[in-house]
Amino acid sequence: DVVMTQSPLSLPVTLGQPASISCRSSQSLVYSDGNTYLNWFQQRPGQSPRRLIYKVSNRDSGVPDRFSGSGSGTDFTLKISRVEAEDVGVYYCMQGSHLPLTFGGGTRVEIK
Amino acid sequence: EVQLLESGGGLVQPGGSLRLSCVTSGFTFNKYAMSWVRQAPGKGLEWVSAASGVSESTYYSDSVKGRFTISRDNSKNTVYLQMNSLRADDTAIYYCAKDVCGNYCSFDYWGRGTLVTVSS
Repeated sequence: DVVMTQSPLSLPVTLGQPASISCRSSQSLVYSDGNTYLNWFQQRPGQSPRRLIYKVSNRDSGVPDRFSGSGSGTDFTLKISRVEAEDVGVYYCMQGSHLPLTFGGGTRVEIK
Repeated sequence: EVQLLESGGGLVQPGGSLRLSCVTSGFTFNKYAMSWVRQAPGKGLEWVSAASGVSESTYYSDSVKGRFTISRDNSKNTVYLQMNSLRADDTAIYYCAKDVCGNYCSFDYWGRGTLVTVSS
């Protein structure tokens, strides 16, 4: 199974400051079709997960442009350029290139 | 508007069975894979099973293989999860998720979830 390792586990951030979450996979996420199926999800308290980023760096419709994804191969990053109060929650990376599909353990973003 | 609505959760004794349903609308159901993802209380997300939208293929995590069966009824735009031989560690919120691919790759829509509690 592909192990997805996220860091940090918890991320206290001051409003308006940037935040960065790392996600590393135990093997390459480049699929046979050439795509890298690395996704980022946000789960606000009491809500279902919501996709923010797909295929490493593509932002979903309605996702603020302060969210960005980058990386390649086995090393990926989600960045929030200026954290807002509504960004509080848990962020998960997930790989869709190999079965079983696997998620990172999550990073809890909170306001200092 | 895409909508996914799960039902069928509840309290069940260890060794018992439950059948979850996820009724969908707002997209061409028979083009996309559908998955079940669960979240144990206070824990992270765990993919459980997927049903292809372009073939009869189904996929399972090792933790549920042989106990759970996923199926879909394209005429009803509905995906099911039959859960047998339930154990305490199956206790979780079960989410239905729509894939953007025919087999599996990414989930663009999620339901609100249905809670399954396995306890005596």
